[in-house]
Amino acid sequence: AQSVAQPEDQVNVAEGNPLTVKCTYSVSGNPYLFWYVQYPNRGLQFLLKYITGDNLVKGSYGFEAEFNKSQTSFHLKKPSALVSDSALYFCAVSGSGYSTLTFGKGTMLLVSP
Amino acid sequence: NAGVTQTPKFRVLKTGQSMTLLCAQDMNHEYMYWYRQDPGMGLRLIHYSVGEGTTAKGEVPDGYNVSRLKKQNFLLGLESAAPSQTSVYFCASKPSGGRTDTQYFGPGTRLTVL
Repeated sequence: AQSVAQPEDQVNVAEGNPLTVKCTYSVSGNPYLFWYVQYPNRGLQFLLKYITGDNLVKGSYGFEAEFNKSQTSFHLKKPSALVSDSALYFCAVSGSGYSTLTFGKGTMLLVSP
Repeated sequence: NAGVTQTPKFRVLKTGQSMTLLCAQDMNHEYMYWYRQDPGMGLRLIHYSVGEGTTAKGEVPDGYNVSRLKKQNFLLGLESAAPSQTSVYFCASKPSGGRTDTQYFGPGTRLTVL
């Protein structure tokens, strides 16, 4: 079985400051990890994924994520937040079998001007 | 290239009524998924399909049925709607069975059951 935990329901950050959205996972075998973003009344948009190799993954809109195997974490980061980054962020892990994704409960990111 | 589309965008049902949600993708993807999104619970997998003519149960399949008669379409049916099925429903697709494949999502259907 696999699971994802997003320990923060909401993250508040001021525009221009760095942001971090946390994610930890549990999975058998090698983890394949994903971050998606959901803007209000929209579907989920893919941001980035970790497959193997470099622990720092770069994605869309200036986001990056750091994979840490020993801490079983895959935190989403951005050096300088924008108000337009305000959205709901989901971490997900791909498990065995038919490649289903298990999602975390989501973290609402609010960037204030 | 429209990607993944869902019909309808909104629907209100009375308890006991039935309806079908349609998902269509034009990317020639093999795998398709139906999720429901509820506040504070993330996305939960209802059913999925690994190819035309095949379906499988996900985490929360009770009260739903699905069909994949054509590769590009994945239908989600509610035979007798219940208020607990009030939710936002998302369809997704991906190219194949690789664990690293990215799922692409539709815009969602907001369903209210009174």
